[in-house]
Amino acid sequence: AQSVAQPEDQVNVAEGNPLTVKCTYSVSGNPYLFWYVQYPNRGLQFLLKYITGDNLVKGSYGFEAEFNKSQTSFHLKKPSALVSDSALYFCAVRPPYNFNKFYFGSGTKLNVKP
Amino acid sequence: GAVVSQHPSWVICKSGTSVKIECRSLDFQATTMFWYRQFPKQSLMLMATSNEGSKATYEQGVEKDKFLINHASLTLSTLTVTSAHPEDSSFYICSATTWGRPGSDTGELFFGEGSRLTVL
Repeated sequence: AQSVAQPEDQVNVAEGNPLTVKCTYSVSGNPYLFWYVQYPNRGLQFLLKYITGDNLVKGSYGFEAEFNKSQTSFHLKKPSALVSDSALYFCAVRPPYNFNKFYFGSGTKLNVKP
Repeated sequence: GAVVSQHPSWVICKSGTSVKIECRSLDFQATTMFWYRQFPKQSLMLMATSNEGSKATYEQGVEKDKFLINHASLTLSTLTVTSAHPEDSSFYICSATTWGRPGSDTGELFFGEGSRLTVL
């Protein structure tokens, strides 16, 4: 079965420290990979995507993600967290064989403390 | 990025009434729109996929007669919650894509701002 896993419901990090939000997937082929962020009572905002090319992709607000094909992972990272980064983060995968399917992880709540 | 507008942001209605939520793609033509429901502190639950000019495809367990979806044009999809009850209270989010249109597929979904429905 196709799936996306975000193993951590919550990640706590101190402001200024690096952060990582984990994502692994089980989708055959070479899927498109995405990260979205959601603030309270808002829709999802696109952060970054991986389609092909360099395994390290850079996105909005200083975030980046590393694609690892052998581990089928796409972890979100930021070198120095800000309090304003506190939000809900979703990993998503679009399989190459069905463009109308979009699999979301369960979300990870990021808490950045001053 | 592309802009998706969702309206209303908040709506409160009485039990038994119907509520319509609109989702518009403002600067692109959306071949496919998706409707999600999100419960507190939970992930997105896909309700249905709608393609312009055709009937929506509902996910298992979603009542078609309860949640009416119309995608009459390439820029507008609507979700109508019919005979709403308190258990329908939730956060509803639409998203749109340009998939399938040559030269315009950037890959990602574009989301509306969501609509908070409260049924009294």
